[in-house]
Amino acid sequence: DTAVSQTPKYLVTQMGNDKSIKCEQNLGHDTMYWYKQDSKKFLKIMFSYNNKELIINETVPNRFSPKSPDKAHLNLHINSLELGDSAVYFCASSQVWGYEAFFGQGTRLTVV
Amino acid sequence: SQQGEEDPQALSIQEGENATMNCSYKTSINNLQWYRQNSGRGLVHLILIRSNEREKHSGRLRVTLDTSKKSSSLLITASRAADTASYFCATVPDGTGNQFYFGTGTSLTVIP
Repeated sequence: DTAVSQTPKYLVTQMGNDKSIKCEQNLGHDTMYWYKQDSKKFLKIMFSYNNKELIINETVPNRFSPKSPDKAHLNLHINSLELGDSAVYFCASSQVWGYEAFFGQGTRLTVV
Repeated sequence: SQQGEEDPQALSIQEGENATMNCSYKTSINNLQWYRQNSGRGLVHLILIRSNEREKHSGRLRVTLDTSKKSSSLLITASRAADTASYFCATVPDGTGNQFYFGTGTSLTVIP
């Protein structure tokens, strides 16, 4: 069974569109994260959720909105997509905030 | 910036040789972790070292931490072709709510 799963794996869309990426973890973890990895492989934290409550939003534009219907899911909704949003987005979870994180396979978003 | 920096950016070695990667960071930390990322995949946790520890081992991996120099190193002994991947250090600074900050990564190629 996949521990942290993201869908879709690939997403190609036009500028200005709205899209969502879904993430689910079956590890029973209380903390979930979203990361953005750019073309140079730099990973930047976007959001952290601890037991469904947003902990930190690292200066991400408000076009990005995380939604957590329950502690096993943390979805990422992006409005008015821009070319600069093209990247690989990773969802992750950890049992204890700041300790071993389990990552999903990533969603490669391409905005054209 | 709170991110770490890995050195070297890229490393190419022959199978059977040892590989050493270094990570430097800027702030005091709660813990430091190393992750591996195979091409097109998510990150996999390798090892965690706490700020009061100086060395940890896991199989062929050896991690050291020098908090006075704000640096860590990852040694992979007797490398294999399957070790080819990018390696990232992640720091969890003190006083930031236990947030992960990833370094820039080292791309390791092990030649069979």
